[in-house]
Amino acid sequence: GAGVSQSPSNKVTEKGKDVELRCDPISGHTALYWYRQSLGQGLEFLIYFQGNSAPDKSGLPSDRFSAERTGGSVSTLTIQRTQQEDSAVYLCASSTGQGWTNYGYTFGSGTRLTVV
Amino acid sequence: AQTVTQSQPEMSVQEAETVTLSCTYDTSENNYYLFWYKQPPSRQMILVIRQEAYKQQNATENRFSVNFQKAAKSFSLKISDSQLGDTAMYFCAFMMGSGNTPLVFGKGTRLSVIA
Repeated sequence: GAGVSQSPSNKVTEKGKDVELRCDPISGHTALYWYRQSLGQGLEFLIYFQGNSAPDKSGLPSDRFSAERTGGSVSTLTIQRTQQEDSAVYLCASSTGQGWTNYGYTFGSGTRLTVV
Repeated sequence: AQTVTQSQPEMSVQEAETVTLSCTYDTSENNYYLFWYKQPPSRQMILVIRQEAYKQQNATENRFSVNFQKAAKSFSLKISDSQLGDTAMYFCAFMMGSGNTPLVFGKGTRLSVIA
């Protein structure tokens, strides 16, 4: 596609429910990143996929968070047993994975998650 | 671990004036990249400008330029001839030189351009 697509754009869920957030990166981009942006905060790294390598999960805040990337393309971020502190904007980005020629990432418009 | 600090949570500037946003970072690396991203209300992060640490010349992109001081670990963004469309959150970000590593972001500066 022309850009990074995220769905849904907004999601309201009840505390304790599971949610799935979807990211469709730019076609051909081998690297995919998930970030969380809480109110008034910067972007907090969550997880990174690069090609067929094992993902870098070092930013996941708890074992309630997981992500997968199927076929090296679409990625799903799953949050189990949601808590109110999970309320944030979840941003996805992709890049060519070409090292220093990488002019930064291309971001999606994010999913705003509200846990009530 | 690398850290990025933006000390100005909010700033405002008159239309057509010039404004400078501050950013400092901490790293023991010698090879890295620095970025400024703009986030308008649409939430989409837009790359404004980037700088390679090995380059002494400051990057420029039209009305946007940076003042990169490697020894001081400072990377400020100057916006000239500010326009109403520049109103947004601005984030400074750091990437290790190996590339394909997560960007580390500052907490952002909210810039308001006033008519």
